[in-house]
This record gives sequence, C-alpha cells and structure tokens, in this order.
Amino acid sequence: KQEVTQIPAALSVPEGENLVLNCSFTDSAIYNLQWFRQDPGKGLTSLLLIQSSQREQTSGRLNASLDKSSGRSTLYIAASQPGDSATYLCAVLPMNTGFQKLVFGTGTRLLVSP
Amino acid sequence: EAQVTQNPRYLITVTGKKLTVTCSQNMNHEYMSWYRQDPGLGLRQIYYSMNVEVTDKGDVPEGYKVSRKEKRNFPLILESPSPNQTSLYFCASSSMIGETQYFGPGTRLLVL
Repeated sequence: KQEVTQIPAALSVPEGENLVLNCSFTDSAIYNLQWFRQDPGKGLTSLLLIQSSQREQTSGRLNASLDKSSGRSTLYIAASQPGDSATYLCAVLPMNTGFQKLVFGTGTRLLVSP
Repeated sequence: EAQVTQNPRYLITVTGKKLTVTCSQNMNHEYMSWYRQDPGLGLRQIYYSMNVEVTDKGDVPEGYKVSRKEKRNFPLILESPSPNQTSLYFCASSSMIGETQYFGPGTRLLVL
C-alpha cells in the first residue's frame, strides 16, 4: 500500500530565506507526483505536477524535484515571502490503482514571518 | 473562470438527517472525485467517477453515495449521517486521468 510522508510537519522561517520541503513515498510505481498548496478556508491549489519520467519542474520561485527510484521529492521555495504561508501537500498517483486516486501526505505547515 | 464549486460551504446537522453536498465544475472535465480530510489522516478518496453514469468506490466509501447524471455535477449524498462523518470534504476534477486535479473550496460538515 502506498504511503506518503512529509517532513517536517511544521516549519517557521523568516522572510527571504530559501527553504526545502520534503516528501517521501514507499512505492516507486507512480504515474506522477503533485505539490499542492492549501490555505485556511480554501481548497487545494495545484502548484507543480511532475510526471514519472521527469526529474524536476519549475514555476517562478518554486522548484520541485523527483527521484522516483529513492521515493523522494522536494519542493524548493526561493526567497520566501509571508504570502507563502500555507500548508503544502504532496500527492502521488500510484500506477497500481488504475490511476484513479491521489495518495496524499499529511502536509507541511509553513509560516513565513515578516 | 474555470472552477469547481461546492455547496454548502459549512453545514451543521444531526445524526440520521439525510444531506447532499453538491459539486459542479465548468471545465468539461470527465474525471471527478470526492475526498475527505481529517487531522493526522490527510485526504482520503471517497468515490470517483470516470464519466457520466460511471462511478466507483475509493478508500472510504462507507456511509456515502454519489451519482453522475450530468458531466458537470457530482453530488455526494449522506443518507444517514453519523458523527464520524464530521470532516472537511473536497470535490476535485480533471480532464483525464493523470492530469492536474482542480479542487473545490471544501465543505466543512459537523454531525451532532
């Protein structure tokens, strides 16, 4: 059974720092991996999607990497801002479920202080 | 604006009183699904639908029903809600399997 773990569960940094969020998964047979952002009272917003054949994806100050063989992904946020404060969720799409569902980690709650 | 909408956003009800949470998307997506989010457990899939009239169970389908009579709508039905169904519910859609999933704003349900 696929399991997704995110460490740390919470992170607090001052504005301007570069930071890395970690995601690990137990089964490397995945179709893709997505990083989401969740703001309080709002839904999930997709940040980056990495296909299993890709190594990384970039969007603005965000860079996500994928090492499928080791079951790891990282989300790098450059020059963090208070507006980046949110919970970040990692999710994988396993191959052995017929691509029907995402398996989510429990998230990393990020607080960026001015 | 491309979006997934859910109603209601907040709901307080009592045990056994049937309720429906609506979900609608305006992106002509074929794939839709429902998740519930609980502290410490993350998001877990309840039901999903590949297309109109095609639905199937996710990881935690007990106590829930769904229907997909139209492509844009995918309501979640709780026939006899119980307190353990108190949760935050999300509807999601995507154009096809493996593509980016778009999530609704969530429905916070409290069952007394």
